[in-house]
Formats: sequence, C-alpha cells, structure tokens
Amino acid sequence: AQSVSQHNHHVILSEAASLELGCNYSYGGTVNLFWYVQYPGQHLQLLLKYFSGDPLVKGIKGFEAEFIKSKFSFNLRKPSVQWSDTAEYFCAVNAQGGGKLIFGQGTELSVKP
Amino acid sequence: GAVVSQHPSRVICKSGTSVKIECRSLDFQATTMFWYRQFPKQSLMLMATSNEGSKATYEQGVEKDKFLINHASLTLSTLTVTSAHPEDSSFYICSARAGANTEAFFGQGTRLTVV
Repeated sequence: AQSVSQHNHHVILSEAASLELGCNYSYGGTVNLFWYVQYPGQHLQLLLKYFSGDPLVKGIKGFEAEFIKSKFSFNLRKPSVQWSDTAEYFCAVNAQGGGKLIFGQGTELSVKP
Repeated sequence: GAVVSQHPSRVICKSGTSVKIECRSLDFQATTMFWYRQFPKQSLMLMATSNEGSKATYEQGVEKDKFLINHASLTLSTLTVTSAHPEDSSFYICSARAGANTEAFFGQGTRLTVV
C-alpha cells in the first residue's frame, strides 16, 4: 500500500528565510508526486507536480521540489519565504497510470513578518 | 486552472437524517473523483475513489452503506451521508481528475454539522 510521510508538523520561519519541507513516500512502483497548499479558509491549490522527466520541478510562487528516486523523497523548497506563504502544505502521491491520491499529514508553515 | 464546485459549502442537519453533497467539474470531464474527510488541523483522509459509471472503491474502515457515492456522469459525483450522527460532523472535500496522469483539482469543501 502506498503512504506519504511529511516530517515537519509545524514550521515557523521569519520572512526571507529559506524553506525546505520534507516528504517521503512508500510505494513499489512508479508514482506521480504533488505538493498542494491550503491557505486559511481556502480550498487546496496545486503548487507543483512531477510526472516524469527533469526531477527538479518548478511551481508557482517561487516554489520548487526535487524528486530523488533513490530516497523516495520529494522535498519542497523556497529560497525566501514571505508572510503570505503562511499556509498548510500537503505532499501527495498516486501511482502512475491512475489510482488513488494519498496525502501526507501536512505541514503548517507560519511566517513571521 | 480547472474548476471543481462543491455544494453546499455548509450544512447543518439533525441526527438520523441524510445529507447529499454534490461535486461538479465545471470545465472538464472527470473520469475519477475522490472524496476526502478532513479533521481540524489534520490531513485529508481518503474515503473513496469513484470512476464514472462504476462502483466506488472505499478505503478500509469507511462504511459504504453509510457514505453512498454516486458518479453517474463525467461531471458530477455525489456523496450522501445516510443516517447522520454527530460523529459524522466533519469537513468533506471532493477532488476531480480528468485522466490517470493528470493533476486533481479540489472543491471548496463542505462543512457538515450533525446536531
């Protein structure tokens, strides 16, 4: 069975600090990987996705993530966070070719102005 | 991006009654829809996966007779919470996906309160 693990439950940063949120998955086959963001009171929005090709993917709002197959990881990064990045971040995975979309536990990011 | 509309956004019902939640993909055809439940400050727990025209696949521990899912068309899926109880109070979220290797888009969620 597939599963997703996010290491950080709550991260607190000051503006302009760099961000890295960890995500590891467990699945025996090829996967599609996603990062979603949920701003307070809003629905989930896609930050970025990986299906194949270049393992370094760039998303919206300056976010990027790197797929490291050997480590089953898909960590999210941003070089300089802003107060407006305060939100809940979710890593998700599904098997390539279809299948259910499973989410990690989520990481709450709080950015201090 | 594509739009998924979920209705109602908020509903209060009496214990023992049934509640239907609709999820529509407005500008694309969704071959697959997912239903999740989200508890406060927690992640999205997958309840079931539904493919258009076929029976939903429920996750372990989710009662299929209590949470009825219908995906009768490529743009509409419904979740009916039958004989609701206070412990069913939660935030329910749907998402829709056009194809196997595409991203899923999310509805705005439905806050269900059973009194």
